[in-house]
Amino acid sequence: DVVMTQYPGSLAVSLGERATIHCKSSQSVLSSSNNKNSLAWYQQKSGQPPKLLIYWASVRESGVPDRFSGSGSGTDFTLTIDSLQTADLAVYYCQQYYNIPLTFGGGTKVEIK
Amino acid sequence: EVHLAESGGGLVQPGGSLRLSCAASGFTFSTYSMNWFRQAPGKGLEWVSFISSSRFSIYYADSVKGRFTISRDNANNSLYLQMNSLRAEDTAVYYCARGWYDIVTGYPDWSDQWGQGTLVTVSS
Repeated sequence: DVVMTQYPGSLAVSLGERATIHCKSSQSVLSSSNNKNSLAWYQQKSGQPPKLLIYWASVRESGVPDRFSGSGSGTDFTLTIDSLQTADLAVYYCQQYYNIPLTFGGGTKVEIK
Repeated sequence: EVHLAESGGGLVQPGGSLRLSCAASGFTFSTYSMNWFRQAPGKGLEWVSFISSSRFSIYYADSVKGRFTISRDNANNSLYLQMNSLRAEDTAVYYCARGWYDIVTGYPDWSDQWGQGTLVTVSS
């Protein structure tokens, strides 16, 4: 299985500041068939289902604010939230779809400082 | 508007069975693959099973293989998860989610729409 490791487990960021979340996979998730990284990011607010933010490591889902961005390649990925807002309080998960089973990182809880 | 509504959760004894349903609306269900995920109380997300639009491809997590069966009824826009031989560690909120599918690899990709989930509690 592809093991996904997220860090930090939690972080507190001041409103208007940047939050950076890291995700590392145990093997490369770069697909040779299309040269894209098979990685998605989700946001889960308390008591709600996950919401897709980003796929192919950097493609923002329709309707997702542009303060959310994804980057990285191979085994190391980053989700950046620019100008953090109160609505961004949530747990964020990375997920690989390079191989089955689909696997998630352990989550990063973003809190407001 | 896309809407996914899970039902069928509840309290069941270890070794028991339960059938979850997911009613889909707001999109052409028959053209999309679907997934089941779960989330144990206070824990992270776990993928459970995948079924392609035509049912040609079906996959399970090792933790449920041989005990759970995914199925779908495209005529009635419904997804199902038959869960047998339930264990305490199956206790979780179960989510159905619309998935994307790699036609080259045959594997599931990301999931862009999720239901609100249904709670399954396995306890005596």
